[in-house]
This record gives sequence, C-alpha cells and structure tokens, in this order.
Amino acid sequence: EAGVTQFPSHSVIEKGQTVTLRCDPISGHDNLYWYRRVMGKEIKFLLHFVKESKQDESGMPNNRFLAERTGGTYSTLKVQPAELEDSGVYFCASSLGTTQKVSPDTQYFGPGTRLTVL
Amino acid sequence: GESVGLHLPTLSVQEGDNSIINCAYSNSASDYFIWYKQESGKGPQFIIDIRSNMDKRQGQRVTVLLNKTVKHLSLQIAATQPGDSAVYFCAENTGGFKTIFGAGTRLFVKA
Repeated sequence: EAGVTQFPSHSVIEKGQTVTLRCDPISGHDNLYWYRRVMGKEIKFLLHFVKESKQDESGMPNNRFLAERTGGTYSTLKVQPAELEDSGVYFCASSLGTTQKVSPDTQYFGPGTRLTVL
Repeated sequence: GESVGLHLPTLSVQEGDNSIINCAYSNSASDYFIWYKQESGKGPQFIIDIRSNMDKRQGQRVTVLLNKTVKHLSLQIAATQPGDSAVYFCAENTGGFKTIFGAGTRLFVKA
C-alpha cells in the first residue's frame, strides 16, 4: 500500500512569491491533516479535512495560507505571498476515520516538504 | 495553556541498553497520547499510543507509561539498537483530531 506522498520535497522561493504544496493521502483515508515544523520548534497543527470539508483550521497562521481538498482526495496548501517566517517543513498526514467518529485514529505522515523563503 | 514539552532535548545511550524518553503535558483534559519516531528525511512515524484510561501499554520493544497525576508520559525502548536513532515526539489529543506535538528528543545510540 502506498503511503502519504508530498510534492515537492524541497522548494526554495523568494519572499513575495507563491508556492503550492501538494499532498496525496493514503487511498480511502477520509481525514487529511497539515502540520508545520519551523526549525528547532515543535510540529504544529495547521488544519484538518474530513473528505473535502475543513473540520478544523484553527492552526492556520493567517490568510496568506489557503488549503483545499477538492473532491476529497489530494490536498493543496498555497502560501501567497510567502514571507521569511513561513520557512519550515510542512507535513501532511492522513487517517482512515469516518465522519461519525469523534476520537482520533492513527495518523500516517508523509515525508514533508521543506520550504525555504529567501 | 496547551503545551507538550520534553525534559531533555538529546539522549545518548549505549547499544543494548534501555532508553527512557520523558514528556510532560499540561492539559489535564488530554485523553489520547501518541509517540512518534522521525528519522532524517522522513515524516513522523507512529510508534505506540495510549488512552487516558490506561497507565501502561506495551508494544514490540517499546512501552509507554502514563502518569495522569503528574501529567507525565514516557517511552521506554528495550535493548536499544542503532536503528532506533531518531527524533522522538510525544503528542496529545484532547478528544478531537487536533494533535499537539512536543519539541522532540533526539536519541543517539552508540555502538
């Protein structure tokens, strides 16, 4: 079974540019999550999708970040315009779950996208 | 506030010894705890979890202990191997799907 995949693995952009990160969850997983780790700090939750719906986006830093999951399959996270403090590793995770389930289930993480904003 | 912290940023152990990685959490409402292992260039990998109605859970070579009285979580790795070298994260959930991670502990295994 293929795991969670993320593209690109690395991205180097200049301040003010736009970057779009992609995540392909494990097939059949309803739940999809985005996390971010800024250098030397903890991994922080950004948001959670159940299928195509945003269930919790309380961790999104500001309105420069836009996440979508059209069709409930893959997800994109766009940063526009990028700022220096957006640099870090962006992780995507997915879990099987169901819309009726309220307790968390095992999340499987992708390898991450390392974003560097110059 | 919500936070999950670690007592030590790095831990160095001899191959074959047991490792203990500690974690403190501050939210007494947290009811689900997870340990993740992250190797270089990879995402966090699930190791073991425990719910708040338990105080101990064992896996293959790993044991998680939960002390709700002092809000402390630990991961014990038996007979530590070079392949166990990685960063270990504890994480917590408060009943929803939002997972709160600690800063991580780097484990070095000396041959």
